[in-house]
Amino acid sequence: QKEVEQNSGPLSVPEGAIASLNCTYSDRVSQSFFWYRQYSGKSPELIMSIYSNGDKEDGRFTAQLNKASQYVSLLIRDSQPSDSATYLCAVKVWGSARQLTFGSGTQLTVLP
Amino acid sequence: AAGVIQSPRHLIKEKRETATLKCYPIPRHDTVYWYQQGPGQDPQFLISFYEKMQSDKGSIPDRFSAQQFSDYHSELNMSSLELGDSALYFCASSLGGSQTDTQYFGPGTRLTVL
Repeated sequence: QKEVEQNSGPLSVPEGAIASLNCTYSDRVSQSFFWYRQYSGKSPELIMSIYSNGDKEDGRFTAQLNKASQYVSLLIRDSQPSDSATYLCAVKVWGSARQLTFGSGTQLTVLP
Repeated sequence: AAGVIQSPRHLIKEKRETATLKCYPIPRHDTVYWYQQGPGQDPQFLISFYEKMQSDKGSIPDRFSAQQFSDYHSELNMSSLELGDSALYFCASSLGGSQTDTQYFGPGTRLTVL
């Protein structure tokens, strides 16, 4: 089992709808959580970071973290065709390790 | 704003050759990370440096080595290249190397081994 699991895709939503992306992690000492967007052949681009339980909003994006359930999600409101990409959930574990552990990604397609 | 710079952007090598990838972090960032992303896979952590010292090591083959120089740029050296080394190699940088620091990725180097 991967340390970071994302809901299987691909996910298709119509333009203007809410896209919901989910991620679970297995390590209870995980402390920092990140959502990256990656277009095909391009580098991961940071969308959101979240460290505390609850919601964090930034424009059309809302990240939700529930450490008790080991669950983090990303909501994209008013989805646009330009949001079509692979969304990577990344987790950083507390301790000496500073690297990110990524999920396999969820491919999102926003249909015009 | 300045971003992470990687060179070269594309590299084609033959099996058993060597390759050197370079990474220039965002100015004032002191931590550099290297990731490998194979086709259809998520990025896998290779190695990181904090203040010019190796800080963490992931799934980096013994054929690979890396270092961070006094100006904080980093180089990933890859020897005895294999077909399976064909991948996108990303460098990321951050400030402080703490649990809450954010990693920003460079554009990547696409390595093709023939």
